[in-house]
Amino acid sequence: EVQLLESGGGLVQPGGSLRLSCEGSGFMFSWYAMSWFRQAPGKGLEWVSAMGATGGTDIYYTDSVKGRFTISRDDSKNTLYLHMISLRADDTALYYCARRDPNSHFDSWGQGTLVTVSS
Amino acid sequence: IVMTQTPLSLSVTPGQPASISCKSSQSLLHSDGKTYLYWYLQKPGQSPQLLIYDVSSRFSGVPERFSGSGSGTDFTLKISRVEAEDVGLYYCMEGIHLPWTFGQGTKVEIK
Repeated sequence: EVQLLESGGGLVQPGGSLRLSCEGSGFMFSWYAMSWFRQAPGKGLEWVSAMGATGGTDIYYTDSVKGRFTISRDDSKNTLYLHMISLRADDTALYYCARRDPNSHFDSWGQGTLVTVSS
Repeated sequence: IVMTQTPLSLSVTPGQPASISCKSSQSLLHSDGKTYLYWYLQKPGQSPQLLIYDVSSRFSGVPERFSGSGSGTDFTLKISRVEAEDVGLYYCMEGIHLPWTFGQGTKVEIK
């Protein structure tokens, strides 16, 4: 069974930093492109960042996080990361990681980890 | 790309059909011949789950009462007979132009 487990969320002050992790199991993690999404409280879904499968150089970010967020992966640990700095109140959200099927749809999602940016 | 869903909320009697429209501001037809339009359902308190990919392909385990149709910029998700377990927020998503974007979501509830 494919599983994705996010961790690392929490309460952080504006300007602070956090590193989110997403551990995958039940599939060959290195074969899959992965993404981070977020959902602000009571709002819709927003794509944040994407990284290709191992060996690829594809890394993408939505404009609002460019220069502040860094996506990376450690396939030896079956883990995807999102390093976030200079956090702002509008980064407050439930952050999900998702696996991208080779046919391009996101077929498996984690349960999310909550990031709250507040003083 | 802007994805526009209508309606934003829907109240349906169990056993009755439901339909959600999704319009994109640009064509989602890729030069590879595929149309990168997906439908997700987010049940209360849960993460999104894939229902439909490539406009009309039902994901593994998704009941046959769910169907997708459309082309280019106009798409529709239909539920032939709504069941109580279908309540939640339905989102269309495009996967062709970065940043990938979602519709605003359509809340489906049971009468």
